[in-house]
Amino acid sequence: AQSVTQLDSQVPVFEEAPVELRCNYSSSVSVYLFWYVQYPNQGLQLLLKYLSGSTLVESINGFEAEFNKSQTSFHLRKPSVHISDTAEYFCAVTSTGGGNKLTFGTGTQLKVEL
Amino acid sequence: DVKVTQSSRYLVKRTGEKVFLECVQDMDHENMFWYRQDPGLGLRLIYFSYDVKMKEKGDIPEGYSVSREKKERFSLILESASTNQTSMYLCATTAGGSAYGYTFGSGTRLTVV
Repeated sequence: AQSVTQLDSQVPVFEEAPVELRCNYSSSVSVYLFWYVQYPNQGLQLLLKYLSGSTLVESINGFEAEFNKSQTSFHLRKPSVHISDTAEYFCAVTSTGGGNKLTFGTGTQLKVEL
Repeated sequence: DVKVTQSSRYLVKRTGEKVFLECVQDMDHENMFWYRQDPGLGLRLIYFSYDVKMKEKGDIPEGYSVSREKKERFSLILESASTNQTSMYLCATTAGGSAYGYTFGSGTRLTVV
């Protein structure tokens, strides 16, 4: 079984400042890792994912996440946030060995202020 | 793109009512999931299905059941709604293989009074 910890329930940040949303996972097997974003009153959308290869993965809107196996982390970063990035962000994990269940973290509310 | 449609965005039901939440996907995916989302608890898996007429319990199945008579439709049933089932319910689907990730519906916010 896997588990995900998102220690920060809320992260306030000013526009154009950098941000990091933390995600740590626990698993006894190899994993795939995901970040999802949920804008107000919407479902979740896939932001980016790590499957294999380069440990740094990027999204089309400037977010990036780095897989760190030794620290079992998959932190999400953006060098300069915009007001439109205000949303809730969920980290999720699943095993590589078959099955399709995703285990989600409790979410981090990113609030970008002017 | 895959489209996942949840029939109601907002629903208000009375305690003890039988409630049906419907989810339809248009991409012939085998795998469908029902989650509930609560503040501070994230998403918790209620039930999932890998094929027609197949269902498996997730982490919090108590008080819920599901039905999958057709591949594209996965229904969540609250047999006797209670106030502690007031929540956001999210349906998701995936093509198969854990690398794909999920496509989610927009959610149904259920209030039980």
